[in-house]
Amino acid sequence: DVKVTQSSRYLVKRTGEKVFLECVQDMDHENMFWYRQDPGLGLRLIYFSYDVKMKEKGDIPEGYSVSREKKERFSLILESASTNQTSMYLCASREQGTSLHFGNGTRLTVT
Amino acid sequence: DAKTTQPPSMDCAEGRAANLPCNHSTISGNEYVYWYRQIHSQGPQYIIHGLKNNETNEMASLIITEDRKSSTLILPHATLRDTAVYYCIVRVANNQGGKLIFGQGTELSVKP
Repeated sequence: DVKVTQSSRYLVKRTGEKVFLECVQDMDHENMFWYRQDPGLGLRLIYFSYDVKMKEKGDIPEGYSVSREKKERFSLILESASTNQTSMYLCASREQGTSLHFGNGTRLTVT
Repeated sequence: DAKTTQPPSMDCAEGRAANLPCNHSTISGNEYVYWYRQIHSQGPQYIIHGLKNNETNEMASLIITEDRKSSTLILPHATLRDTAVYYCIVRVANNQGGKLIFGQGTELSVKP
């Protein structure tokens, strides 16, 4: 079974901090994705990557950046965390043309 | 990107079939319909997908209309564990493998 692991289940950070959310997949998938999920808004795509060192903006990239130095790891970076970035963050991966496999999410609170 | 429209919530009695509708009237000919579900406190889970023919697997059946403008996910014998938010997604294909855009989904409550 594909495993997508997000490093933290819960995270509390202060406004202005730089925050790293890590995601690792164990199936050598090419594509990786970061979503955030908020009540009433569903899942919204922040960034995705289709190969090492490649990245593409999703629908809401503002305030975020990503890093993909190795195929199995895709990091989401909040350069200067703000309270409106309090959310559930979901990482996913897939081989091209197949279904997405999600991690269990990181619930980030920015105070 | 083709957008999808789903009812925000539905109820279903345990043991009965749950039929979840989805409209995707602007779908293109090469776009697939995918269904995922998200049980509370977990990441979304893949259920099924199809292009134009009806599909069935161990979890569910997918019925796509002939004009492909709508589809229905069928859980033939719903259980309490099927209570979740169900997302219907149309896959946008591009050279990089496409991005999947999630809508707000349907919150299915299966009741005893």
